Amino acid sequence: QVQLVESGGGLVKPGGSLRLSCAASGFTFSDYYMSWIRQAPGKGLEWVSYISSSGSTIYYADSVKGRFTISRDNAKNSLYLQMNSLRAEDTAVYYCARASSGWYFGYWGQGTLVTVSS
Amino acid sequence: SYELTQPPSVSVSPGQTARITCSGDALPKQYAYWYQQKPGQAPVLVIYKDSERPSGIPERFSGSSSGTTVTLTISGVQAEDEADYYCQSADSSGTYPDVVFGGGTKLTVL
Repeated sequence: QVQLVESGGGLVKPGGSLRLSCAASGFTFSDYYMSWIRQAPGKGLEWVSYISSSGSTIYYADSVKGRFTISRDNAKNSLYLQMNSLRAEDTAVYYCARASSGWYFGYWGQGTLVTVSS
Repeated sequence: SYELTQPPSVSVSPGQTARITCSGDALPKQYAYWYQQKPGQAPVLVIYKDSERPSGIPERFSGSSSGTTVTLTISGVQAEDEADYYCQSADSSGTYPDVVFGGGTKLTVL
């Protein structure tokens, strides 16, 4: 069955960096667009970034553009999110999700918590 | 980017029908999707392309669309349906897809 397992979250100071990873299994990873979606504590869902199946097409939400970088390694069935210049408002649970045609998310990981605080 | 508007909360008694609405100007042109999220868990897709139900989702979940409003209907609500529900859409008419979530609706089963 489809499994997505995030890792790499933790406590980081404002201005710091963190790299999230998502290990995928149970499907042909290289066939699918992937995405990161976040949820601040007690708040709703916010789409962060998309990457195409080959990695050639990438989109970002305006709130993270220029600070976050999404990437993937199809040989390792892994998705990544490099987060730089982190701010308090980036504090959230970050979910890795498999995208379906039509820009929706059929499968989600359990999430990893990123806390930005001094 | 455009917005999707949901009521903050809906309450129903067990066995009744719950209807959760989501409004947005782009909805007549774009599909809507619905997710269920229980406390401490990841969201789960319950409706896609306005009214399609993924495998494994109970038949009591259904979706409909009319103009700028889409509706998630849960017939014969059960206690286990108590959760937050989010609508989502994507405006792909621009140079990149603008993925948007509604603010979420907390469904309380009385």
